[in-house]
Amino acid sequence: DSGVTQTPKHLITATGQRVTLRCSPRSGDLSVYWYQQSLDQGLQFLIQYYNGEERAKGNILERFSAQQFPDLHSELNLSSLELGDSALYFCASSVSGLDTGELFFGEGSRLTVL
Amino acid sequence: TQLLEQSPQFLSIQEGENLTVYCNSSSVFSSLQWYRQEPGEGPVLLVTVVTGGEVKKLKRLTFQFGDARKDSSLHITAAQPGDTGLYLCAGVLNTNAGKSTFGDGTTLTVKP
Repeated sequence: DSGVTQTPKHLITATGQRVTLRCSPRSGDLSVYWYQQSLDQGLQFLIQYYNGEERAKGNILERFSAQQFPDLHSELNLSSLELGDSALYFCASSVSGLDTGELFFGEGSRLTVL
Repeated sequence: TQLLEQSPQFLSIQEGENLTVYCNSSSVFSSLQWYRQEPGEGPVLLVTVVTGGEVKKLKRLTFQFGDARKDSSLHITAAQPGDTGLYLCAGVLNTNAGKSTFGDGTTLTVKP
């Protein structure tokens, strides 16, 4: 158990819909990262928040947005969903204030868009 | 173009055999991590290497960071079925905000 909690574990929805994925980081971790994992593209970095502020942005589509709340949990919002958005979405957290690259991942949210 | 190239992509061996998987790049990393991921679960951090030439051992696993900090290898001695999984390397470049870039991974299957 990494201490990172993600909900929901599985989500099935239709094209055009909007979903929200939730992540609670490990106790004491201030950084939250979102990654997308698909069969053809591996683990792709989407976005990082540190203590409520956006810190780094990767290949995140404009249809996707995220935020980190004062209690440090984070949400990833995916809208106008397309078939190609079907993937595993992982949240990870890291030791407070350090950019060591050592990430602790949740179990992921599997999104299926039909 | 993938920043971190992992090879081989797939590896299937018998229990008791030794194996090495590789992680290569043309970029210099401030640190490099190895993760293991099982189906339906998130990657689990195995090790971090930060110094060129560094060697770390974790039971039957030996990790090496290249002298120039551009590449790494993972060697498993006497592989067991429990070693089966996806092995991912990830690196933090010197110039970014600490976000990790992942390779595509090596899928290892150890047959009993």
